[in-house]
Amino acid sequence: EAQVTQNPRYLITVTGKKLTVTCSQNMNHEYMSWYRQDPGLGLRQIYYSMNVEVTDKGDVPEGYKVSRKEKRNFPLILESPSPNQTSLYFCASSLLPANTGELFFGEGSRLTVL
Amino acid sequence: KQEVTQIPAALSVPEGENLVLNCSFTDSAIYNLQWFRQDPGKGLTSLLLIQSSQREQTSGRLNASLDKSSGRSTLYIAASQPGDSATYLCAVRNSGAGSYQLTFGKGTKLSVIP
Repeated sequence: EAQVTQNPRYLITVTGKKLTVTCSQNMNHEYMSWYRQDPGLGLRQIYYSMNVEVTDKGDVPEGYKVSRKEKRNFPLILESPSPNQTSLYFCASSLLPANTGELFFGEGSRLTVL
Repeated sequence: KQEVTQIPAALSVPEGENLVLNCSFTDSAIYNLQWFRQDPGKGLTSLLLIQSSQREQTSGRLNASLDKSSGRSTLYIAASQPGDSATYLCAVRNSGAGSYQLTFGKGTKLSVIP
């Protein structure tokens, strides 16, 4: 089954404790992206990647890192989480726009930073 | 910078009604526009994707139109059902500076009353 898988789905952590949210897709998509969703602010793009070893900042990249060493995986790293990073995070993937570009989302990871 | 607006923010209709959700965007330099559905606490499910060269797409009771020159898209839902209750989001894939970035509207929360 074609899917985007995120882990963990729920996480409570404390300020400053490094964490990684994993994202994996099985559709051989070139494009992958991370978003955060906050009440009243909607979905905002954090980082995106157009292929292996190619990443770029979205609208709200501060406090986050990403890597794209393999085509299927695009982990989101919070080196020193802070309470303002408490949010619902989504990973998504697609073929590049030159093809269909339809975006597929994971189920989301709800992060609470105390 | 691309801005996407969805009006109304919330909509309540009786079961069986036909309805239209609106999405407007400020920059017409887009690859495509995608409509999503989000159920509470869940990920986003793709409904329809319209490429910039297309005028409309249909899937079952859903029809989405795109007028790129005026920066507008509509999602038409025929014969609404209680199961259609969800938040509907539109997103544009920008093709200008900052290529491949996706900009989301804040969504329209639809309630279909039995």
